[in-house]
This record gives sequence, C-alpha cells and structure tokens, in this order.
Amino acid sequence: TQLLEQSPQFLSIQEGENLTVYCNSSSVFSSLQWYRQEPGEGPVLLVTVVTGGEVKKLKRLTFQFGDARKDSSLHITAAQPGDTGLYLCAGGLDPGTYKYIFGTGTRLKVLA
Amino acid sequence: DADVTQTPRNRITKTGKRIMLECSQTKGHDRMYWYRQDPGLGLRLIYYSFDVKDINKGEISDGYSVSRQAQAKFSLSLESAIPNQTALYFCATSDSWSEKLFFGSGTQLSVL
Repeated sequence: TQLLEQSPQFLSIQEGENLTVYCNSSSVFSSLQWYRQEPGEGPVLLVTVVTGGEVKKLKRLTFQFGDARKDSSLHITAAQPGDTGLYLCAGGLDPGTYKYIFGTGTRLKVLA
Repeated sequence: DADVTQTPRNRITKTGKRIMLECSQTKGHDRMYWYRQDPGLGLRLIYYSFDVKDINKGEISDGYSVSRQAQAKFSLSLESAIPNQTALYFCATSDSWSEKLFFGSGTQLSVL
C-alpha cells in the first residue's frame, strides 16, 4: 500500500508565526496536490505541482515538490486565523488516470 | 447552489441495513469518485467512474457498490452496513483534461 505521511499531525500556532507542513513518501508521484478542508466541507484544491523541484507561491503559501518527486512541503508565512483547517497532500499515481493517494492530513489552528 | 451535491448530509443506520448515498453534479464533468475519510487515514478511494459506462474499483471497494445513473449522478451503496463503515464520505468530480478534483460537502455516516 502506498502511503503519504504528513507531519506534523497537529499544529497550533499564534497569528503571525511561520510554519511548514511536510508530505513524504517512498513512492514517486507524477504530480502532487495540496488541499485545504474546513469543518463541514469537502477539500478544496490549493495547488498542483508536477515537476521535480518546482516551487509555487499562492499569496503567503509556498509549495515545493521534491527533486525526486517523492516529497513536498507547504510553508505559510505570517499565518492568519483564516488559515485554520485540515491540510491534505495528494500524490498522483499515473498521469492522466487522476487517481490520487491522499496523505494523513495536518490539522492547523491559528490563534488570534 | 453547490456544484457537487451529496445527500443526505448525515445518516445514522443500524448494522445489516442497506443504505444509499447519492451524489449529483452540475459541473458537466465526466469523471466522478467516491472517497471515505477516517481520522488519521486521510481520504481513501472507494470507486471511480470515468463515464457512464465505466466503473472501476478503488483501493477499498469491499462492502460497497456504485451506480452511475447518468453523467451527473453517481450513487454509493452499502449492501449490509457494518460499524467500521462509520466514516465521512465524499463524492468528487473532475473533467477530462484537468487534474483538479471538486468535492461535495460530505455525508457523515454512522453505523450502530
């Protein structure tokens, strides 16, 4: 069974702090997605990275795909209470099949 | 109105009962998916369908069946519910050229 391990599982920080969430696997993925899920809702896609070493920025969020396409990180600068939620990474198994293995999730709480 | 609608939002049932979860979408996407979410395990794929005549098993299909009644409708059935099927169930859609998944708001199912 292919696994995507996320760390940390839980993170509680003060507004304004920086944080990094990690997503690791022994498998190589064709692409890597990051989602944010809020209570009572489904996950919403934040970004897709497809090239080893790729870095994408979305306002205060920076996403990086590892050179070997086995790992990824999400860095949030100056976290805000609105960033609170469950962050999920998802690795694409085969290009074009749209089958994804989801990570175990990181639950982030940003305190005002 | 939501693009991906799941009904019911919550359901409590007893062991051995047959139950159906329904999903409809207005996005015009060909591809539809059923996932379950359990704490600490992330999202796991149950079944997926790339068009009305195409149904495929995911990683945890045992105990479940699906029906793709139309392009816009994809239902998930539990033939004889058991307590370890208690979970949050999500329907998702995607189009043929994008790797972006659009999720419904989920159905919380409890099997007593």
